[in-house]
Amino acid sequence: AQSVTQLDSQVPVFEEAPVELRCNYSSSVSVYLFWYVQYPNQGLQLLLKYLSGSTLVESINGFEAEFNKSQTSFHLRKPSVHISDTAEYFCAVSDFRGNTPLVFGKGTRLSVIA
Amino acid sequence: GAGVSQSPSNKVTEKGKDVELRCDPISGHTALYWYRQSLGQGLEFLIYFQGNSAPDKSGLPSDRFSAERTGGSVSTLTIQRTQQEDSAVYLCASSPDRGQPQHFGDGTRLSIL
Repeated sequence: AQSVTQLDSQVPVFEEAPVELRCNYSSSVSVYLFWYVQYPNQGLQLLLKYLSGSTLVESINGFEAEFNKSQTSFHLRKPSVHISDTAEYFCAVSDFRGNTPLVFGKGTRLSVIA
Repeated sequence: GAGVSQSPSNKVTEKGKDVELRCDPISGHTALYWYRQSLGQGLEFLIYFQGNSAPDKSGLPSDRFSAERTGGSVSTLTIQRTQQEDSAVYLCASSPDRGQPQHFGDGTRLSIL
């Protein structure tokens, strides 16, 4: 079985400042890792994913995450945040065969302050 | 539209009533998932369909909860004799096949009075 820990429930940050949202996972098998974003009153949108290959993955809106197997982490980073990045961010894991459904962390609420 | 569609978007009902929540997945997606999102609880997996069969029902919280999928497409989540603790946002997701990234609907916000 897999589990996900998002260490910060809320992260306030000033506009144009960098941000890191932390995610650690545990699993006895190889995994797929995902970050989803949820804007108010909307469903979850896939932000980026790690399936295999390069451990650094990027999204189209400037976020990136790095898979670190030794530290069992998949932290999300952005060098300069915008007001529009204010949302809830969820880290998720499944086993690499897709035999398990996504297991989500409890989410991190990112609040960007003008 | 091309995305996952859920209806109704909001449902308010009295304790003890039955409710049905509907999910229209993306056309051609064989895998369909139901999750529940409660305040302070994060996202909780309920049930997964591959085609019309449900190989994993492990997340259904009680026998008041059931789900079906017909024609490999639309799915219905039914909650019988609703309780106040059932109040949550119920999210549906689909993917081309299991293990592939899931696409989510906007959810149904269920409020039990």
